[in-house]
Amino acid sequence: EAEVAQSPRYKITEKSQAVAFWCDPISGHATLYWYRQILGQGPELLVQFQDESVVDDSQLPKDRFSAERLKGVDSTLKIQPAELGDSAMYLCASGERGPSGANVLTFGAGSRLTVL
Amino acid sequence: GENVEQHPSTLSVQEGDSAVIKCTYSDSASNYFPWYKQELGKGPQLIIDIRSNVGEKKDQRIAVTLNKTAKHFSLHITETQPEDSAVYFCAALTPSGYSTLTFGKGTMLLVSP
Repeated sequence: EAEVAQSPRYKITEKSQAVAFWCDPISGHATLYWYRQILGQGPELLVQFQDESVVDDSQLPKDRFSAERLKGVDSTLKIQPAELGDSAMYLCASGERGPSGANVLTFGAGSRLTVL
Repeated sequence: GENVEQHPSTLSVQEGDSAVIKCTYSDSASNYFPWYKQELGKGPQLIIDIRSNVGEKKDQRIAVTLNKTAKHFSLHITETQPEDSAVYFCAALTPSGYSTLTFGKGTMLLVSP
């Protein structure tokens, strides 16, 4: 079964440092999402790509977060500088249109960030 | 924007009992409602979904019902098993632009043997 790959699985960093997360979506999925999940809460969308273009980054803190998907395949999410409140699970998902007609998301295992 | 509320936040049942998780949404334009199961250390996994033109959908021991008028939908798990223990998230899709999926805060289901 095709999977969304994410790395690293775990990252511990000190505040003010830079961190980066990588995602490789399921082959052929044009839509890619980055979500942030704070412990005990549901995922919240940070950024959505359609191929290499950003189609929604309204909830991305652009002063410190950036995301790119240069060739429309894999993607990188960067945080610089990291703050204590950035500690969370960062989930990548890719989507394809399902039988219901809506975009069905498949999530990766996530990258857990701890900022000290 | 869309707001999805989910209840209860935790649910403990005995093996073999049924479990029901309820969600409400605010945007009447939302038209797709998936449910995800998240096990410890893993990403959410889609378990069942329903579109707004359908009132109920069933897949073996799980079923989802949708009441568009009241703007709420529910997940029903029958004959629960210990491996059903996980966090369950409901979500609603609002068809604006490229569509945005909004999640509830999750329900931790614990099934005791």
